[in-house]
Amino acid sequence: EPEVTQTPSHQVTQMGQEVILRCVPISNHLYFYWYRQILGQKVEFLVSFYNNEISEKSEIFDDQFSVERPDGSNFTLKIRSTKLEDSAMYFCASSEGLAVPDTQYFGPGTRLTVL
Amino acid sequence: KQEVTQIPAALSVPEGENLVLNCSFTDSAIYNLQWFRQDPGKGLTSLLLIQSSQREQTSGRLNASLDKSSGRSTLYIAASQPGDSATYLCAVHNYGQNFVFGPGTRLSVLP
Repeated sequence: EPEVTQTPSHQVTQMGQEVILRCVPISNHLYFYWYRQILGQKVEFLVSFYNNEISEKSEIFDDQFSVERPDGSNFTLKIRSTKLEDSAMYFCASSEGLAVPDTQYFGPGTRLTVL
Repeated sequence: KQEVTQIPAALSVPEGENLVLNCSFTDSAIYNLQWFRQDPGKGLTSLLLIQSSQREQTSGRLNASLDKSSGRSTLYIAASQPGDSATYLCAVHNYGQNFVFGPGTRLSVLP
């Protein structure tokens, strides 16, 4: 069964460094998403991406964040200058989105630790 | 702003019991509602999605209902098994927004 994959599974970085989290969505899906989950807290929406542009973003998704689909398969989340509070599990998701967004399929997540 | 709550926060039951997890949301103008399962340290697995026009969805031992007017959804798990132990998340999709997640119900099914 097709699945969303994410790399790396765990990323450790120093405060102020740039990180890029990578995702490979399910191949025929049109909508892509990033969510984060700070330890012990709710899953929070960051951004959705459709037709090579951001379709929605939350207030969390400030200028430190950017997303890109550099080729036909990868979807990336970049954090330009990491802060301690960026430490979280980051989930990528995708959905078919033929008419409206529907079932979202999540990847296993990347655990980001900012020291 | 949509708020999603889930009751109970944690639940521990003996194997074989039927159980109900509850989800409430404040804004009834939703596209759909999705139930997920999250195992410790893992991603989210979609269990059931209910479109706003639907009243319930079933998959195996799982049944999810939706009452939009009262802002509630329930996830019914029949004949629970130890393998059902996980955190169950409810997420609501409003038109013009993306999913808003509840805090989850942590379920333990004891053998």
